[in-house]
Amino acid sequence: QKEVEQDPGPLSVPEGAIVSLNCTYSNSAFQYFMWYRQYSRKGPELLMYTYSSGNKEDGRFTAQVDKSSKYISLFIRDSQPSDSATYLCAMSASSYNFNKFYFGSGTKLNVKP
Amino acid sequence: DAGITQSPRYKITETGRQVTLMCHQTWSHSYMFWYRQDLGHGLRLIYYSAAADITDKGEVPDGYVVSRSKTENFPLTLESATRSQTSVYFCASSEITGGGEQFFGPGTRLTVL
Repeated sequence: QKEVEQDPGPLSVPEGAIVSLNCTYSNSAFQYFMWYRQYSRKGPELLMYTYSSGNKEDGRFTAQVDKSSKYISLFIRDSQPSDSATYLCAMSASSYNFNKFYFGSGTKLNVKP
Repeated sequence: DAGITQSPRYKITETGRQVTLMCHQTWSHSYMFWYRQDLGHGLRLIYYSAAADITDKGEVPDGYVVSRSKTENFPLTLESATRSQTSVYFCASSEITGGGEQFFGPGTRLTVL
């Protein structure tokens, strides 16, 4: 079993839809949770970063962490064609042991105009 | 240009040849990383470095060699390339490990024939 599981999609939605992207994990020691966005043939770029449980909002993006269920989500409101990309979740157990920095396999999102 | 760069961006080589992928960052970040990205596997860590002359293995180090004589450079060498090393390789850097943001380069697409 992988440490981090992520539905690969692809997920296709119309412009303006609310998008929900999710990851599950098995290691209860994970404390740092991130979402990266990766455009085609580009490197990943950090989109959202949260520590421990709770919600974090940044513009149209909301990240949620439920440590009791070992489940994290990224919500995109009013989705735009420019949001079309692959979204990778990532998580880490410690500030000092980065070898436990695990990425999901990514969910490909397509927002249709 | 400021940031993190990789060269070459595309490389085709033959089985058994030695290949070196270059990575250069201008932020003077302490930590640098090499990942490979394959369909269905997401990003997997090959090697990392905490500082000049300090390197350590990641999840999939076999067949790869790294060095870091200067803070800003972190080359990755495939000593004898195999077809299974066909992948997209990403270099990343960060100031702190674990929960800190990692900044990714644009990637090198390597094909081993």
